[in-house]
Amino acid sequence: NAGVTQTPKFQVLKTGQSMTLQCAQDMNHEYMSWYRQDPGMGLRLIHYSVGAGITDQGEVPNGYNVSRSTTEDFPLRLLSAAPSQTSVYFCASSVLGTSGTGELFFGEGSRLTVL
Amino acid sequence: RKEVEQDPGPFNVPEGATVAFNCTYSNSASQSFFWYRQDCRKEPKLLMSVYSSGNEDGRFTAQLNRASQYISLLIRDSKLSDSATYLCVVNRRGSTLGRLYFGRGTQLTVWP
Repeated sequence: NAGVTQTPKFQVLKTGQSMTLQCAQDMNHEYMSWYRQDPGMGLRLIHYSVGAGITDQGEVPNGYNVSRSTTEDFPLRLLSAAPSQTSVYFCASSVLGTSGTGELFFGEGSRLTVL
Repeated sequence: RKEVEQDPGPFNVPEGATVAFNCTYSNSASQSFFWYRQDCRKEPKLLMSVYSSGNEDGRFTAQLNRASQYISLLIRDSKLSDSATYLCVVNRRGSTLGRLYFGRGTQLTVWP
């Protein structure tokens, strides 16, 4: 019963390095999203997708890229890591109805530190 | 002004206490409302949806006041296991599908 799987769980990067956070879901959800969570800031939406081939920006998209080539996968790419991107990243998926998303199912999170 | 505002707490209550959290939202077109629970260093999980008529799930009661644009969560007979951060979440009518707005969360600690 996998649900939403994120990898890696922990990562340390140096400033300027690039990397990809992987997210996969096995529930056939149309909607997938990436959030970052910082102390005192709550969850902030980075990018989201309402289906394969469709992505859109959220609240804090700068410095991140996404793609959605399949229903199952929604990777998040950090192009050139900066210390301000040190955070906990959550991937979430949901069914998508006419009034928006249903229950969000989150991955366990990826803790990223940029030195 | 943020879309969703919550009192960050922390709320520290003894076992058996009743505790209430409020959450306000800024856009009157908001349509769907939820409470999520997040344990320390874990992912958020849905606690309950909030319906216009109010709804109850065991010791938890959620209410919506559209006129005043706030949502509440009441926890009765608090248990140690209720210690967590409670996130208020709002989906705005007419917003791009998939745009959910999270409050910063209210931290609850229940002590023996």
